[in-house]
Amino acid sequence: DTEVTQTPKHLVMGMTNKKSLKCEQHMGHRAMYWYKQKAKKPPELMFVYSYEKLSINESVPSRFSPECPNSSLLNLHLHALQPEDSALYLCASSQPDRDPYEQYFGPGTRLTVT
Amino acid sequence: AQSVTQPDIHITVSEGASLELRCNYSYGATPYLFWYVQSPGQGLQLLLKYFSGDTLVQGIKGFEAEFKRSQSSFNLRKPSVHWSDAAEYFCAVDTLQGAQKLVFGQGTRLTINP
Repeated sequence: DTEVTQTPKHLVMGMTNKKSLKCEQHMGHRAMYWYKQKAKKPPELMFVYSYEKLSINESVPSRFSPECPNSSLLNLHLHALQPEDSALYLCASSQPDRDPYEQYFGPGTRLTVT
Repeated sequence: AQSVTQPDIHITVSEGASLELRCNYSYGATPYLFWYVQSPGQGLQLLLKYFSGDTLVQGIKGFEAEFKRSQSSFNLRKPSVHWSDAAEYFCAVDTLQGAQKLVFGQGTRLTINP
């Protein structure tokens, strides 16, 4: 199983809502990532978890709150977002002690903030 | 700062024709370089990667890339494209070698004419 799954596929939320994005992998990977991709732009790294610990935070606003409850799951909690946060949010995973550069990506969650 | 430039925003080729997508990097040391492909509505898939050694790298789906230090380039090639190759292609560099912090180029959209 080389699949990274993300739910939901689409999410529309108001600026006062609280929602969460979920990412799951069962490849035994111990590094997981969140990327943000605006339309017609490349992905931009937001967070990296390595062995369930936050190792990289790319100065992301606090209205985005990541969580890694276990080695298979990665959440992104959203609160008080702005319309400019509308984007495709991609999750990825890799195995740091085997092949750290083979990042497996999920299909993404398309988020619209109204 | 380390960066990646893809000079071509959009390329159109005929099915069966050869393909070359350009990528230039700016980095002091030998970078870790990657090519990813993204089909519409999908996540990213790793095509190939370069760390060291042989400068001609073979990837999946019949793609190859050549690292040229003198030109700071890592161009992607395919001898004969198929309609299914239509997608967005991203060149990326690992800015902290081994730290899995990827920075992507702006992407090249490939259209295939029948």
